[in-house]
Amino acid sequence: GEDVEQSLFLSVREGDSSVINCTYTDSSSTYLYWYKQEPGAGLQLLTYIFSNMDMKQDQRLTVLLNKKDKHLSLRIADTQTGDSAIYFCAESESNSNSGYALNFGKGTSLLVTP
Amino acid sequence: KAGVTQTPRYLIKTRGQQVTLSCSPISGHRSVSWYQQTPGQGLQFLFEYFSETQRNKGNFPGRFSGRQFSNSRSEMNVSTLELGDSALYLCASSLGTDQPQHFGDGTRLSIL
Repeated sequence: GEDVEQSLFLSVREGDSSVINCTYTDSSSTYLYWYKQEPGAGLQLLTYIFSNMDMKQDQRLTVLLNKKDKHLSLRIADTQTGDSAIYFCAESESNSNSGYALNFGKGTSLLVTP
Repeated sequence: KAGVTQTPRYLIKTRGQQVTLSCSPISGHRSVSWYQQTPGQGLQFLFEYFSETQRNKGNFPGRFSGRQFSNSRSEMNVSTLELGDSALYLCASSLGTDQPQHFGDGTRLSIL
């Protein structure tokens, strides 16, 4: 599919808020996703937002969706050192067989410093 | 509830060999998808299965194949391995079409 774009690197201090941005391409995506990957591990589904919503809040995580601009953001409040990881934005793409696939960005490496 | 289980976790093969990777989805999940993750190309979709039928396929050569069994477990096979096949292979399962996908920890395949 087309490219899902994310900034590659973000560094924040412990206790600050982190904001990771993403632009996606498929306006027909039912959901948009944020995944977290720690070293040596698979992808952890962090949160997701239904495409007809503007915002979703889940504890320290806030997802904002701007469908007009195809822009998705993830805000992590009170960022901790344990939040250091790679964060992937993903859109879903469907085909005529009811099959679908996730199209991922390249990932944003979040470094949280004490 | 057990998560997605992939076996083996690590594999070392040589060029020209073939390999089979296994994935057990979350109980009740009928859709299984496979992805390849490399530093250069990132995460790329391989294929998706639902009720033993391949419903979607990514842009990979025919050396990459898969199947799904009646219990929703899935395998993927790579034949005639090449150095460029070295990657982390991730399996994901979901309840069905366009539902959130949950990933396993992957199989790291190294080709010598």
